[in-house]
Amino acid sequence: NAGVTQTPKFQVLKTGQSMTLQCAQDMNHEYMSWYRQDPGMGLRLIHYSVGAGITDQGEVPNGYNVSRSTTEDFPLRLLSAAPSQTSVYFCASRIGYGYTFGSGTRLTVV
Amino acid sequence: AQSVTQPDIHITVSEGASLELRCNYSYGATPYLFWYVQSPGQGLQLLLKYFSGDTLVQGIKGFEAEFKRSQSSFNLRKPSVHWSDAAEYFCAVGAGGTSYGKLTFGQGTILTVHP
Repeated sequence: NAGVTQTPKFQVLKTGQSMTLQCAQDMNHEYMSWYRQDPGMGLRLIHYSVGAGITDQGEVPNGYNVSRSTTEDFPLRLLSAAPSQTSVYFCASRIGYGYTFGSGTRLTVV
Repeated sequence: AQSVTQPDIHITVSEGASLELRCNYSYGATPYLFWYVQSPGQGLQLLLKYFSGDTLVQGIKGFEAEFKRSQSSFNLRKPSVHWSDAAEYFCAVGAGGTSYGKLTFGQGTILTVHP
């Protein structure tokens, strides 16, 4: 089992560009989520999904889009990158309350 | 909605000293409580969790935490800190049930260990 795999690990974007952060899990977990981590603010929930075809907003959803076409994949799309989206992004999946986190994507928007 | 407060942004201890990291939560029902540790540039590692039962829970790396409902607290402790414990620590509360519940994190406490 690879667990939760995030790609890329690092990314630099220019303001206004779009991109997709990839997240894949091989544990057949129904629940998946995206968090962003900023200094002094902990991790904040962006979007989450309780199964294929079902997504919902978290605490800080603006500027991000998600979809869940399969159980395994939960990509996060930045529609038009802004410097305020510079952050470290973590994807997580879970069964019950047993969370598995990916290793993160460090995104810089210039 | 649930919330978590970690009052200490940064704590410095000497190696071999005892450690207590504070965590206060807000949630109307019995919460699920977690402590995670993150080393620089790394992902999150689960130290311990509380779901129900014994209010003193043991975790990995010699850590323990005590759930005190009356104080809405879930403080993390270690009797003797090692230099390798230097990291950032996050308390988190899960609420809303295991199907639709969400995990809410505190702001984090950075631990520095002096030799």
